[in-house]
Amino acid sequence: AQSVSQHNHHVILSEAASLELGCNYSYGGTVNLFWYVQYPGQHLQLLLKYFSGDPLVKGIKGFEAEFIKSKFSFNLRKPSVQWSDTAEYFCAVNARTSGTYKYIFGTGTRLKVLA
Amino acid sequence: NAGVTQTPKFRVLKTGQSMTLLCAQDMNHEYMYWYRQDPGMGLRLIHYSVGEGTTAKGEVPDGYNVSRLKKQNFLLGLESAAPSQTSVYFCASSSRSSGANVLTFGAGSRLTVL
Repeated sequence: AQSVSQHNHHVILSEAASLELGCNYSYGGTVNLFWYVQYPGQHLQLLLKYFSGDPLVKGIKGFEAEFIKSKFSFNLRKPSVQWSDTAEYFCAVNARTSGTYKYIFGTGTRLKVLA
Repeated sequence: NAGVTQTPKFRVLKTGQSMTLLCAQDMNHEYMYWYRQDPGMGLRLIHYSVGEGTTAKGEVPDGYNVSRLKKQNFLLGLESAAPSQTSVYFCASSSRSSGANVLTFGAGSRLTVL
């Protein structure tokens, strides 16, 4: 069955520190990969996505993610975090299962950035 | 453009009561989804719909029913609420029936079952 694992549940960083959030998925076919972000009190919104082509994708607010097919991973990175990056981050996979596409999310990583 | 609208935003129920959450989207999207968000468990897919008149089960469908009588609406029903259904429920929609869907989320509905 399709699944998504996020290994870091809570991360605390100081401003200007570098960030890497892990995401691994289990699915053998073609996948489409996403990172969504939920800022405090807001609904989820897209941060970045990978469909095909260059495995290094760039999103909003200086975030990027690298798709490594051999490792079934899609880790999120940011060289220097800001206080405003405090949020919960969700990795998601959309893949074709039993003839239809199903969108599955990871458990989320709660990031707190200290000013 | 309203996007995805969920009603109600908050609701408190007693065990055994029933209720319906309404999701409405004005973007002519084909796909609609209901998720629940619980601490430490992320978003789990309850049910989804690939078009008007069709629904399918997600990861955690038990205790819920859904209907998609109109393309713009996706209803989530709880026939007999249980405390385990205390959660924040999110509706989402997407426009393409392919893997490249980007979800548009509603603001969420916080449900407490006493």
